[in-house]
Amino acid sequence: NAGVTQTPKFRVLKTGQSMTLLCAQDMNHEYMYWYRQDPGMGLRLIHYSVGEGTTAKGEVPDGYNVSRLKKQNFLLGLESAAPSQTSVYFCASSYSRGRSTEAFFGQGTRLTVV
Amino acid sequence: GQQVMQIPQYQHVQEGEDFTTYCNSSTTLSNIQWYKQRPGGHPVFLIQLVKSGEVKKQKRLTFQFGEAQKNSSLHITATQTTDVGTYFCAPADRGSTLGRLYFGRGTQLTVWP
Repeated sequence: NAGVTQTPKFRVLKTGQSMTLLCAQDMNHEYMYWYRQDPGMGLRLIHYSVGEGTTAKGEVPDGYNVSRLKKQNFLLGLESAAPSQTSVYFCASSYSRGRSTEAFFGQGTRLTVV
Repeated sequence: GQQVMQIPQYQHVQEGEDFTTYCNSSTTLSNIQWYKQRPGGHPVFLIQLVKSGEVKKQKRLTFQFGEAQKNSSLHITATQTTDVGTYFCAPADRGSTLGRLYFGRGTQLTVWP
């Protein structure tokens, strides 16, 4: 049982390049999230999804797009990377109701935009 | 996002001292979760509080949910070096959109031997 897996773990991009971060969970969770973490700023929600085929904006969605075509996968895309998007990105997933709604996190992706 | 303040932002203690972090909301919460993130690691769930005035303990950690459900605290008794990390609260506003999970800015705890 792998839990939440993020790919890649590290990436360096040039300004203007695009990339996609992949998040995969094998716990059959309905909810999935993407966060960015910057020093002193905590975890800021970028986008989230409450089920397959649905996505919604979080606190800091600008410059990012997401898709959830399959229940187990949640993709985060950067269409034109900017240095301000240098950050550590975390994906998480959780059940929606009933059992504890604790979120399980991936190991993170460290992205540097130069 | 939700209006939640987590204080203090940093706390440095000597091993054996106690530590407390607070999470304060401007709105009534339906529940609150607490997470710990070790340096270089990812956040890990600690506990969820759902009832007014609830108090839960995990060994040296004591979690409280305020009577008015607008604040919560995490208290560590006799800190150890293994307690080092950042502690986050994740409050759920009663009126919040289903599925959104926001976090406070966290309290970074440093423990020196």
